[in-house]
Amino acid sequence: SQQGEEDPQALSIQEGENATMNCSYKTSINNLQWYRQNSGRGLVHLILIRSNEREKHSGRLRVTLDTSKKSSSLLITASRAADTASYFCATDARRDDKIIFGKGTRLHILP
Amino acid sequence: DAGVIQSPRHEVTEMGQEVTLRCKPISGHDYLFWYRQTMMRGLELLIYFNNNVPIDDSGMPEDRFSAKMPNASFSTLKIQPSEPRDSAVYFCASSPWAGGTEAFFGQGTRLTVV
Repeated sequence: SQQGEEDPQALSIQEGENATMNCSYKTSINNLQWYRQNSGRGLVHLILIRSNEREKHSGRLRVTLDTSKKSSSLLITASRAADTASYFCATDARRDDKIIFGKGTRLHILP
Repeated sequence: DAGVIQSPRHEVTEMGQEVTLRCKPISGHDYLFWYRQTMMRGLELLIYFNNNVPIDDSGMPEDRFSAKMPNASFSTLKIQPSEPRDSAVYFCASSPWAGGTEAFFGQGTRLTVV
């Protein structure tokens, strides 16, 4: 069963613009992670935010977490063509060790 | 470490045949996950192991699916008999421990059942 749901399903922006993707989840979590998947490849971990954190940065990535709303956002600043990929949020619930993924947001950076 | 290694990368088989997918996790990782990815259903967790022991197989769709982890360096996912609706990309991932660490993914096996 899906724990996280990303929004939007697809996003196209011009190179240089910022891209924002959102994730909502259902149950209490320990951590929330964001992954990237390039076409035909495996998923690559981007960033992890713990349930007691509200914001985290890594390079051009900024992640926020609102546990009261059970939601997270991923911001990619100054987008590049190489950022074209699918982005997934993943949660591990407090009750078990499962890592559950949403269906992802397909991001396309236009030149 | 070479990362998580899956084989084969591509598999085309006829309906009714047995299919075995293989995974070698990263050495020292205690957790191993099998996922299935399709356009319709996204990335589904099928089963995961902790220290070679299956912990939760509630995502395994049917009895036709089975998974084993005979030792810390090898796992298999078997489908017998295979059906066209099993066509998907199957990923294996491993992580060092639970509670807030990333999962490292293999490149996946693209399975086509005709």
